[in-house]
Amino acid sequence: QTVVTQEPSLTVSPGGTVTLTCSSSSRAVTSGSSPNWFQQKPGQAPRALIYSGTKKHSWTPARFSGSLLGGKAALTVSGVQPEDEADYYCVLYYGGAQFWVFGGGTTLTVL
Amino acid sequence: QVQLVQSGAEVKKPGASVKVSCKASGYTFTRYYIHWVRQAPGQGPEWMGLINPGSGGTTYAQKFQGRISMTKDTSTSTVYMELRSLRSEDTALYFCARNFDDFDIWGQGTMVTVSS
Repeated sequence: QTVVTQEPSLTVSPGGTVTLTCSSSSRAVTSGSSPNWFQQKPGQAPRALIYSGTKKHSWTPARFSGSLLGGKAALTVSGVQPEDEADYYCVLYYGGAQFWVFGGGTTLTVL
Repeated sequence: QVQLVQSGAEVKKPGASVKVSCKASGYTFTRYYIHWVRQAPGQGPEWMGLINPGSGGTTYAQKFQGRISMTKDTSTSTVYMELRSLRSEDTALYFCARNFDDFDIWGQGTMVTVSS
């Protein structure tokens, strides 16, 4: 069974920088994994932030960026704002069997 | 305005089936896959499967094989997700999401509660 792993929780100070990662139990994450990142606040649907590992949606704040680092996908938030406090999820695509798997999520606390 | 609007909350007994709809508007229905994702209370999202509204082709997560069906009605730009043999663990918020590699638009979610 394929497992996608994220840090369960991270804490960052306002104005600071934080990097969240997303890894796969079965193989290195590459652009072919089509990493997507989402932000979710309580009572809301997930909101897409990053797709194809590095691409931003038109509504994605500039302080959010995606990358591929050492076999993982990464989401970096630079100049964290209080409103960035939320749960963040990644999802990866497994092209062979054509399925997607979500990570367990990272709860980001801004303190 | 591009949007996905889902059907309302459902309460079902164990063993029953539920069918949730997702109506698309504001874009060409057949151009984007629709995925179904569920989220149990306090848990992360779980990918259930997808349907290609153009061809009707589907791919389901192995976990749900045999008790899930996704269908489409092109005349109304609506996709449906049916889950059978419901159990308490299926209690969750069910979302549809549009995807052309980017999951950009999500429905508002449909709460399905399975309880005797």
